[in-house]
Amino acid sequence: QQQVKQSPQSLIVQKGGIPIINCAYENTAFDYFPWYQQFPGKGPALLIAIRPDVSEKKEGRFTISFNKSAKQFSLHIMDSQPGDSATYFCAASMGWNNDMRFGAGTRLTVKP
Amino acid sequence: NAGVTQTPKFQVLKTGQSMTLQCAQDMNHNSMYWYRQDPGMGLRLIYYSASEGTTDKGEVPNGYNVSRLNKREFSLRLESAAPSQTSVYFCASSEEPGQSSEKLFFGSGTQLSVL
Repeated sequence: QQQVKQSPQSLIVQKGGIPIINCAYENTAFDYFPWYQQFPGKGPALLIAIRPDVSEKKEGRFTISFNKSAKQFSLHIMDSQPGDSATYFCAASMGWNNDMRFGAGTRLTVKP
Repeated sequence: NAGVTQTPKFQVLKTGQSMTLQCAQDMNHNSMYWYRQDPGMGLRLIYYSASEGTTDKGEVPNGYNVSRLNKREFSLRLESAAPSQTSVYFCASSEEPGQSSEKLFFGSGTQLSVL
């Protein structure tokens, strides 16, 4: 079974909207939670990441909110643009090993 | 700066055929990985190599073998391809696990179809 559950599978918003993608994990040993962005025909690229010692991290228009007690984290995209249309993957790993577990992905479409 | 380079980009195989997917990185990274991406499943780790000379199984290793040829190159071999191995395969590299930067750098992928 997937150790990181991601929702929704797809999301459509208007330009300027704030899409929110949610992830939940089971393994409390996870200590690194990245988000990857993937455009069609390309490999995923790291967008932003957080560790469980903080509840929020912002980088530009992208924000991760982290709730350790609920074992959930989410990605918010402020003032979304058509160029943000991509597939987004959350992931989780334990810092001492190489086994990063990915969510199933969310296909985001931002309409002009 | 090329980053992570994968070849080929596309491949069609018949059931039972074998092939090797090639991957090379020019960032002097120690760790390299092979993932497969399937609709609704995200990316799943097949094998990884923490450093030159070592390889370990990931989440879905059955039906695959790997070789860490040198620090730059990490290949994935399908000895007898099956339709269930139809997928998009990604190679990735990273500096060091457990350090401040665990960022994965991905190649552009190989789209493999097994008929």
